[in-house]
Amino acid sequence: GAVVSQHPSRVICKSGTSVKIECRSLDFQATTMFWYRQFPKQSLMLMATSNEGSKATYEQGVEKDKFLINHASLTLSTLTVTSAHPEDSSFYICSARGPAGYTFGSGTRLTVV
Amino acid sequence: TQLLEQSPQFLSIQEGENLTVYCNSSSVFSSLQWYRQEPGEGPVLLVTVVTGGEVKKLKRLTFQFGDARKDSSLHITAAQPGDTGLYLCAGARQGGKLIFGQGTELSVKP
Repeated sequence: GAVVSQHPSRVICKSGTSVKIECRSLDFQATTMFWYRQFPKQSLMLMATSNEGSKATYEQGVEKDKFLINHASLTLSTLTVTSAHPEDSSFYICSARGPAGYTFGSGTRLTVV
Repeated sequence: TQLLEQSPQFLSIQEGENLTVYCNSSSVFSSLQWYRQEPGEGPVLLVTVVTGGEVKKLKRLTFQFGDARKDSSLHITAAQPGDTGLYLCAGARQGGKLIFGQGTELSVKP
């Protein structure tokens, strides 16, 4: 079946630093990937759509300069949280749309201290 | 405004009880999906409903898609502690974006 690998699973960083999260489709190509953010006990909120070879499209209220998305190949999308602050601490999840529908990564727990 | 209204948001029941989770929208969806998510993990697809009026069963779980394809329900029979988790409905919007309901946090106590 379709597998999406997300790395790292957990990361702790200091305020002001940047963190990169990778999302890879292991056995299929994904021209479109999606990035979500999830707070405790809440649902997934779509942040942006990552398009291979073109700019990402961001949902309303999501700062594109803070959450940089790069989709340089058909199997890899990255989300970089720039100048992270404690309020950016959250669970970030990627999803890739492939032949089997939507497949989700296992998420990245980001803690900014 | 939430595109997909999911209810209830929290549910705590005893083992053996039945429950129903609802997912409603004012918009028509070509399909709706139900996911289950464990803490610290990504959501896992349970089922996709496509046809209005469709009913799908997955062991003790029964999923229905409304005739107008605007709403869906998940019914669990004889809930077990292993059913505990976050249940999410989701629908695809323009551009293939998958939008989620608020989620239902289910706790089944032994």
